[in-house]
Amino acid sequence: QLQLQESGSGLLKPSQTLSLTCAVSGGSISSGAYSWSWIRQPPGKGLEWIGYIYDSGSTYYNPSLKSRVTISVDRSKNQVSLKLSSVTAADTAVYYCASLALGEFHFDFWGQGTLVAVSS
Amino acid sequence: QSALTQPASVSGSPGQSITISCTGTSSDVGNYNYVSWYQQHPGKAPKLMIFDVSNRPSGVSNRFSGSKSGNTASLTISGLQAEDEADYYCCSYTSSSTLYGFGSGTKVTVL
Repeated sequence: QLQLQESGSGLLKPSQTLSLTCAVSGGSISSGAYSWSWIRQPPGKGLEWIGYIYDSGSTYYNPSLKSRVTISVDRSKNQVSLKLSSVTAADTAVYYCASLALGEFHFDFWGQGTLVAVSS
Repeated sequence: QSALTQPASVSGSPGQSITISCTGTSSDVGNYNYVSWYQQHPGKAPKLMIFDVSNRPSGVSNRFSGSKSGNTASLTISGLQAEDEADYYCCSYTSSSTLYGFGSGTKVTVL
């Protein structure tokens, strides 16, 4: 069973770049069995899908964030990374990584989430 | 603004059944059997409860069931228990460029 754990910058100032990693255990991110998504949740609000990456390195981003988002994988560390540039207070949220099995359309395993706050 | 519409809250007494609706469009719920439901307790990560409209992952209680009619999907919780009190989110694959849209979330209260 996969286990995912997010970590990274918790407090940012406006215009800075958010940088998070998701450590995957219980399976290899290079297995080809999964794609890896990032999903966020502003405090007290609903969920928003940010994008995903396949082990091939191909990515797809939510158009609302596409100009500012980069998702990448580090196979040597079995990690997935998220970078979001030019953050504003609207980017304050709990950020989750989640797995999406190949050929499936649901998020089966989730990390515990990490809170990122943007404040001047 | 959420892609899918859910009621803000639903409540029921222990042992009762409740149903949460999730209304989308012909671009998402109405066109694909790729609706999933997630349970989220306060301060916790979402947990997959139903996938592909009506399938339960291993380990999820059979008190949880899902269905779909037209552009509306539904999650039914039967034999309501105190531990079911949580927020529930639906999600659907969509033909729009967003690819995945989530519902606005429903708070379930066990009276």
